[in-house]
Amino acid sequence: SQQGEEDPQALSIQEGENATMNCSYKTSINNLQWYRQNSGRGLVHLILIRSNEREKHSGRLRVTLDTSKKSSSLLITASRAADTASYFCATDGWAGGGNKLTFGTGTQLKVEL
Amino acid sequence: GAGVSQSPSNKVTEKGKDVELRCDPISGHTALYWYRQSLGQGLEFLIYFQGNSAPDKSGLPSDRFSAERTGGSVSTLTIQRTQQEDSAVYLCASSSAPNSPLHFGNGTRLTVT
Repeated sequence: SQQGEEDPQALSIQEGENATMNCSYKTSINNLQWYRQNSGRGLVHLILIRSNEREKHSGRLRVTLDTSKKSSSLLITASRAADTASYFCATDGWAGGGNKLTFGTGTQLKVEL
Repeated sequence: GAGVSQSPSNKVTEKGKDVELRCDPISGHTALYWYRQSLGQGLEFLIYFQGNSAPDKSGLPSDRFSAERTGGSVSTLTIQRTQQEDSAVYLCASSSAPNSPLHFGNGTRLTVT
């Protein structure tokens, strides 16, 4: 099964509102990453948070990590129509063996004008 | 090149034919990954290369799938005797080191008719 599971599966908000997406995972990790995917394109790396960090910021993005609950959240503040995309969390846990990033199923975010 | 390049961008093939997908990673990136993404789904890990060796082939769905990497650079993913369930977008990514952020190509959309 997927290491990461995002919640909600889909989110629709108005421009200017904040968007929060959650990710849960199952095994111990070294770090957790968030990626964004526009329709028909590859994924773009947004932010990486290490297992010993609790919060990280990058521009309008804020990521939190709670290793005790095996969960992370991505907050996009003051959303824009251009933020419309799918967002994925990825973990580097050794589930299944080997160095690999395991991706969740993603949250589809739609930001409406 | 400036980014990860994949070719072809689209491939339509008849059931039973073999296909070869190519990935040209960012120069100097030692780690290379192949993922598969079905419509509206998350990413399914296929295989990971560190240099020319593949320490983790755990995600290859069947023995019809194989991959190689030569010269620590270009990688090819070969699917023999394609089936309709192989239809998906095949994404390649590279990184400068294991567990570092991945840089994705735009994928090859494979359709098996």
